[in-house]
Amino acid sequence: DAKTTQPPSMDCAEGRAANLPCNHSTISGNEYVYWYRQIHSQGPQYIIHGLKNNETNEMASLIITEDRKSSTLILPHATLRDTAVYYCIVRPQSNSNSGYALNFGKGTSLLVTP
Amino acid sequence: DSGVTQTPKHLITATGQRVTLRCSPRSGDLSVYWYQQSLDQGLQFLIQYYNGEERAKGNILERFSAQQFPDLHSELNLSSLELGDSALYFCASSVSQGNAGNTIYFGEGSWLTVV
Repeated sequence: DAKTTQPPSMDCAEGRAANLPCNHSTISGNEYVYWYRQIHSQGPQYIIHGLKNNETNEMASLIITEDRKSSTLILPHATLRDTAVYYCIVRPQSNSNSGYALNFGKGTSLLVTP
Repeated sequence: DSGVTQTPKHLITATGQRVTLRCSPRSGDLSVYWYQQSLDQGLQFLIQYYNGEERAKGNILERFSAQQFPDLHSELNLSSLELGDSALYFCASSVSQGNAGNTIYFGEGSWLTVV
């Protein structure tokens, strides 16, 4: 799997947009970018994933550069409850019904401040 | 609520003992994954089952084993426990219908403390 690089920590003021970068310069054409977050000692929570196009859901937006070597997760209006560790994961497209496991790195610890 | 259920939530046991952690996947999910999270190692993938069969192995110790039953629930067995096995153990599951359905959803974990 392609390796990802994320800043170890970031701060964001409540109500502002949180932009979390991820570098995945060795990503290959059949690999998806997934984002998860983990609020202290809870189970990792799925946020969003994408292949080439930008994606948006009720939680966040995912912006993937045209060359696919980096991406940005955007939380449009961060709240205190968004304080968590955010993981950017590159995952191969599954060619079987069983799918591939996720390999977590160290992620970015996001602190949202009042 | 992800729909993945894990029991017990907390467990304290002594070194050398054996424990079993249980996981019920989301309704309709055929794949089950087990992860370990300790303070110094982060989230480590242990093993994956699909429809009762082992599909992938990660950093799982020989003292650990898992299985998935016909009703698709899974159990992780940890034996000859050591202090270093103290960790959060997560179960996760996914559907198996193409990439859009392969999103993995995690349970809330089982806290294991070995004393």
